[in-house]
Amino acid sequence: DAGVIQSPRHEVTEMGQEVTLRCKPISGHNSLFWYRQTMMRGLELLIYFNNNVPIDDSGMPEDRFSAKMPNASFSTLKIQPSEPRDSAVYFCASSLAQGWEQPQHFGDGTRLSIL
Amino acid sequence: SQQGEEDPQALSIQEGENATMNCSYKTSINNLQWYRQNSGRGLVHLILIRSNEREKHSGRLRVTLDTSKKSSSLLITASRAADTASYFCATDPPSSGSARQLTFGSGTQLTVLP
Repeated sequence: DAGVIQSPRHEVTEMGQEVTLRCKPISGHNSLFWYRQTMMRGLELLIYFNNNVPIDDSGMPEDRFSAKMPNASFSTLKIQPSEPRDSAVYFCASSLAQGWEQPQHFGDGTRLSIL
Repeated sequence: SQQGEEDPQALSIQEGENATMNCSYKTSINNLQWYRQNSGRGLVHLILIRSNEREKHSGRLRVTLDTSKKSSSLLITASRAADTASYFCATDPPSSGSARQLTFGSGTQLTVLP
C-alpha cells in the first residue's frame, strides 16, 4: 500500500523565493497534518485539515505560510517569501478522523534549505 | 508548545541489552502513542496505550502508563542495531477535537551498538 507521499524530498532555494511543498495522503484518510521539525523546536504542528477543511492553523508561524487542500488526495504548503529561518524538515501526515485511536501516518518529509 | 518530554535525550546501549525511555506530560490525555523515526525518514507509529490502561505489549515493546504521575515508559527488550532511531511520545488530549491532533515530545535518540 502506498504511504503518504511528499514532494520534493529536498529543496534548496534563495531567500525571497516562493516554495511549494506537496503532499498526497493515504487514500481514505480524511485528516491531514503539516508539521515542521527543527533541532531547536522539535516537531511542531503547523495546520491540520479534516475532510479538506482547515480546522486549526494556529501553528502557522506567519502570514508568509499558507496551506490548501483542494481535494481529498492533495495538499500544499506554501511559503512566500521564504526566509533562512524557514529551513527545516516539513512533514505531512494523514489519519482517519473517526475514533480516538487512529495513528498518524507520516511521509518522509521535505528537507528545505533557504539560503 | 511540547506536551511531552522524553528522558533521556540520548541513550547508547549494546546489542542484546534492554532500552528504557521515559515520557512525561502535563495535561490529561485520551491516549498516549509512541513513534519511531529513523534518520532521514518520517515518524512511524509503534504502539498506543489508552488512558485507562497501565501496560501494553507488542512484540519486543512494552509500554507503561501512570496517569497519576503523568508519565509513560517504553521498554525495548533484546535490542538490535536496527532499533537505532529517535523515539517520540505523543499525547492526545481531550481538547484535541475530532481530528485527533497529537502533541509530540522532544524525543530520545537511541543508539544500539553491534
